[in-house]
Amino acid sequence: QKEVEQDPGPLSVPEGAIVSLNCTYSNSAFQYFMWYRQYSRKGPELLMYTYSSGNKEDGRFTAQVDKSSKYISLFIRDSQPSDSATYLCAMSTGGGATNKLIFGTGTLLAVQP
Amino acid sequence: NAGVTQTPKFRILKIGQSMTLQCTQDMNHNYMYWYRQDPGMGLKLIYYSVGAGITDKGEVPNGYNVSRSTTEDFPLRLELAAPSQTSVYFCASRKGTSGRAWETQYFGPGTRLLVL
Repeated sequence: QKEVEQDPGPLSVPEGAIVSLNCTYSNSAFQYFMWYRQYSRKGPELLMYTYSSGNKEDGRFTAQVDKSSKYISLFIRDSQPSDSATYLCAMSTGGGATNKLIFGTGTLLAVQP
Repeated sequence: NAGVTQTPKFRILKIGQSMTLQCTQDMNHNYMYWYRQDPGMGLKLIYYSVGAGITDKGEVPNGYNVSRSTTEDFPLRLELAAPSQTSVYFCASRKGTSGRAWETQYFGPGTRLLVL
């Protein structure tokens, strides 16, 4: 079983739709949860991070962590064509350099105008 | 600030050839990382460094070597290229403030490598 599982998509939605992106994980020691966005032929960039369980909102984006279910989500409200990208979840057990990020495989999102 | 820069952008290698992928950051970051990204496989950590002169293996280090002689540079060396090393390689860095796993990792634009 992979440590982090992510539905690869592709996911195609119309502009304005609410998008839900999800990851599941098996390592209960993960405490830090991040979402990276990667545009085509570019490097990933950090979108949001969350520590432990709970919700975090930033504009149209909401990150949600449910540690009891080992499940994290990223919601995008009022999706825009500029949101079309691959979204990668990433997790870590701690803060030092030896606590490395474990990435999901990424979900490709296309928002149709 | 240029951030994290990588050269070359694209390279074709023959089996058995060697090459060095260059990575430079101008943000005075302590931690630097090399990842490879294969279709459907996500990002896998190859090597990382917590400072000049200190490197350590990640998840998939076989076939690669690194060095870190300065804070800014973290080159990745492929000694005997194999088709399995066909991938997109990303270098990343973060400040390395103690205890902050959520510190942003800044990624370079990537190097696409094709081994034939």
